[in-house]
Amino acid sequence: KAGVTQTPRYLIKTRGQQVTLSCSPISGHRSVSWYQQTPGQGLQFLFEYFSETQRNKGNFPGRFSGRQFSNSRSEMNVSTLELGDSALYLCASSFDADTQYFGPGTRLTVL
Amino acid sequence: AQSVSQHNHHVILSEAASLELGCNYSYGGTVNLFWYVQYPGQHLQLLLKYFSGDPLVKGIKGFEAEFIKSKFSFNLRKPSVQWSDTAEYFCATEPANGGATNKLIFGTGTLLAVQP
Repeated sequence: KAGVTQTPRYLIKTRGQQVTLSCSPISGHRSVSWYQQTPGQGLQFLFEYFSETQRNKGNFPGRFSGRQFSNSRSEMNVSTLELGDSALYLCASSFDADTQYFGPGTRLTVL
Repeated sequence: AQSVSQHNHHVILSEAASLELGCNYSYGGTVNLFWYVQYPGQHLQLLLKYFSGDPLVKGIKGFEAEFIKSKFSFNLRKPSVQWSDTAEYFCATEPANGGATNKLIFGTGTLLAVQP
């Protein structure tokens, strides 16, 4: 069974730009969660989507948004990028509310 | 607010030594508890989890953890570490509310280095 895949793996943007990250869950999984990992703040929950609806949300500003498609693939968007948005963005999938399986992450660098 | 504390930020052990990594959480309700591991250059992987039942949970690669509700702790143990256990270990929790919620709160991680 293929694991969680994330594209792109690496991304460089400049301040003020926007970015879209993609996550394809494990086949059959309906829930996709997003996390931000930084050296200073560690791993922080961004949001979770289930059946195309946002089911849980963390404490991030509105510049961070996401969506989920009917095939369970999810995208995360960050608008008006700031230097502090540089991080590893992890996606995790699960069938429903149970064990989450993580992808390799997208490394975003904001210059 | 819910939080997770991992008191050991960096641990260095020799092969065959015993391991115990501390994890404490703060939350007023029922929680699910997890330990994840991140080997160098690899994804986060689930080591073990506790949802309910026997508080002593066994995971992959010889790891186990014990949930002690009175101490709000979920410490990770392994009787004899190997060089291949070198990795970063994350404790995580989520509100249970009758099941999992997929909103994990992670600790800051413990970097384990095992010397051959």
